[in-house]
Amino acid sequence: DGGITQSPKYLFRKEGQNVTLSCEQNLNHDAMYWYRQDPGQGLRLIYYSQIVNDFQKGDIAEGYSVSREKKESFPLTVTSAQKNPTAFYLCASAERGEKLFFGSGTQLSVL
Amino acid sequence: EDQVTQSPEALRLQEGESSSLNCSYTVSGLRGLFWYRQDPGKGPEFLFTLYSAGEEKEKERLKATLTKKESFLHITAPKPEDSATYLCAPSESGGYNKLIFGAGTRLAVHP
Repeated sequence: DGGITQSPKYLFRKEGQNVTLSCEQNLNHDAMYWYRQDPGQGLRLIYYSQIVNDFQKGDIAEGYSVSREKKESFPLTVTSAQKNPTAFYLCASAERGEKLFFGSGTQLSVL
Repeated sequence: EDQVTQSPEALRLQEGESSSLNCSYTVSGLRGLFWYRQDPGKGPEFLFTLYSAGEEKEKERLKATLTKKESFLHITAPKPEDSATYLCAPSESGGYNKLIFGAGTRLAVHP
């Protein structure tokens, strides 16, 4: 079945540590996105990529980094510079201008 | 500034009690408006896309409508399995599919 796979489902970060969230899609979509979801708030865009080897900052990119070396993969690194990383992280992909397909999410918590 | 406001924040219905959810938006140049359903701990699931004022779309007990400033999600004779958070996201016209998400309406349908 085609879809988006995020891993792990749950992740814990120690202070000063960088952690990487995985996102893989087999939908052959050009565009991929990372969103952050906090309780009571809408999804906020962290980074997006419209094509391999290219990506742009979203509304809340500080403390995060991404790479897009393959069409299928768009990993997100939460760096130690992100002081409030606890949130639900969602990866999505889409054909240009079309609806977004979302993964099942990663819940990141701080130890 | 682009804004999306969903109301009510939470809604409790008895099974079979119809109601409507509201999404008010302010975006510069609407490309489309998306509705998603999100279950706890999962990624959003696509429901509808509306592109122009006056457009309506239906799926089972759900019907979405669009005006120039608002969208409504009407739920007819809801069942407990309709319990979820419903997210509205207008998309701006432009180079990439930028969705602006509202905080959602948490719907609980009780038997």
